[in-house]
Amino acid sequence: DIQMTQSPSTLSASVGDRVTITCRASQSIGDWLAWYQQKPGTAPKFLIYKASRLEYGVPSRFSGSGSGTEFTLTISSLQPDDFATYYCQHYNSFWWTFGQGTKVEIK
Amino acid sequence: QVQLVESGGNVVQPGASLRLSCAASGYTFRRYGMHWVRQAPGKGLEWVAVVWYDGSQKFYSESVKGRFTISRDDSKNTVYLQMNSLRADDTAVYYCARETEALVMGTLAFRYWGQGTLVTVSS
Repeated sequence: DIQMTQSPSTLSASVGDRVTITCRASQSIGDWLAWYQQKPGTAPKFLIYKASRLEYGVPSRFSGSGSGTEFTLTISSLQPDDFATYYCQHYNSFWWTFGQGTKVEIK
Repeated sequence: QVQLVESGGNVVQPGASLRLSCAASGYTFRRYGMHWVRQAPGKGLEWVAVVWYDGSQKFYSESVKGRFTISRDDSKNTVYLQMNSLRADDTAVYYCARETEALVMGTLAFRYWGQGTLVTVSS
């Protein structure tokens, strides 16, 4: 089974900071990777697919990169609405796996 | 607009059964694969099951294989999760989710999510 590992688990940052979250796969997954944002008590929100393609309506301060085994989610200038938990997800034809999540907290 | 509304969550004892429903609206239901994802209290997201858009394939996580069954009724625009032999570690909010693209078998992320329904397994 492919394992997805995110780092860090928690990240403290200030409004305006550039934030980077890393997601590593236990074996190569090409670019079959998505990112989601989740706020407490709400469903996840779809942000990025195929590692770097931004979902419609997602602010351009969010970006994704990587392929193979290492991927990053970058928020170029953190906004108050961005404090949340972020999950990466590997997807293929018959198996979907999430990373354990990265909580972005107010510093 | 796309809406997914889960129902059926409840408090049950270990070993019991429960059926969750997810009613979809705002799009052509039969064209999209559907998933169930769960989240235990204070924990991360765990994929549970998928049914392809045409119903021809269903896949499950190892943790629920043999106990849970996903199905869909295109006439009712609804996807179900039949959960049998429930255990304490099945306690979670269960979300249904729709894939990003129509008429594609697998290899897709989840564009839309429901609000979730809580299943508590406790004696």
